[in-house]
Amino acid sequence: GENVEQHPSTLSVQEGDSAVIKCTYSDSASNYFPWYKQELGKRPQLIIDIRSNVGEKKDQRIAVTLNKTAKHFSLHITETQPEDSAVYFCAAEDDKIIFGKGTRLHILP
Amino acid sequence: DTGVSQDPRHKITKRGQNVTFRCDPISEHNRLYWYRQTLGQGPEFLTYFQNEAQLEKSRLLSDRFSAERPKGSFSTLEIQRTEQGDSAMYLCASSPRGGGAEQYFGPGTRLTVT
Repeated sequence: GENVEQHPSTLSVQEGDSAVIKCTYSDSASNYFPWYKQELGKRPQLIIDIRSNVGEKKDQRIAVTLNKTAKHFSLHITETQPEDSAVYFCAAEDDKIIFGKGTRLHILP
Repeated sequence: DTGVSQDPRHKITKRGQNVTFRCDPISEHNRLYWYRQTLGQGPEFLTYFQNEAQLEKSRLLSDRFSAERPKGSFSTLEIQRTEQGDSAMYLCASSPRGGGAEQYFGPGTRLTVT
């Protein structure tokens, strides 16, 4: 079955700097890669996703890249702000979604 | 509220008791998923339904866990003979279809087994 690895588990960046979270997956049949943000005590919410026929997607300060050959994908957040502090999960779907273990992002003032 | 709802939001039970959780998906969403999330971990897939058909169960799901979606609308997740290791947040999500459709999560049911 699918296995998703996510790094780092914790990331601290200065406000205004960029943050990068990386994930790898094992099942080459996976074709949909969503990213979720979960704030403390709240439900996961989709922030961006990418499909296997696309290499990169951008939405304002957030971008995702996908390398299907290498089976890895990344989340990039630019110009980080305090409200970006949360846990971020990458995931891969081949009919069901398998999540990574999450990255706790701290934005330092 | 037209989002995914779950009931109860919190459940405290003694070891060995049975518990049942309910999930009401977004109306007309065909897919319904159950996940379990423990502190510091990502949601762990348990099972999912396409309408009323249960399509897959995780190998991690013991025989003490059962889920139903009798009319293809709401779903229930039952845990029999609860153990302390069952303590977790149980999340439900729905999507209009499979194959890369966004999943919308409910607020979760936090289970504590004492």
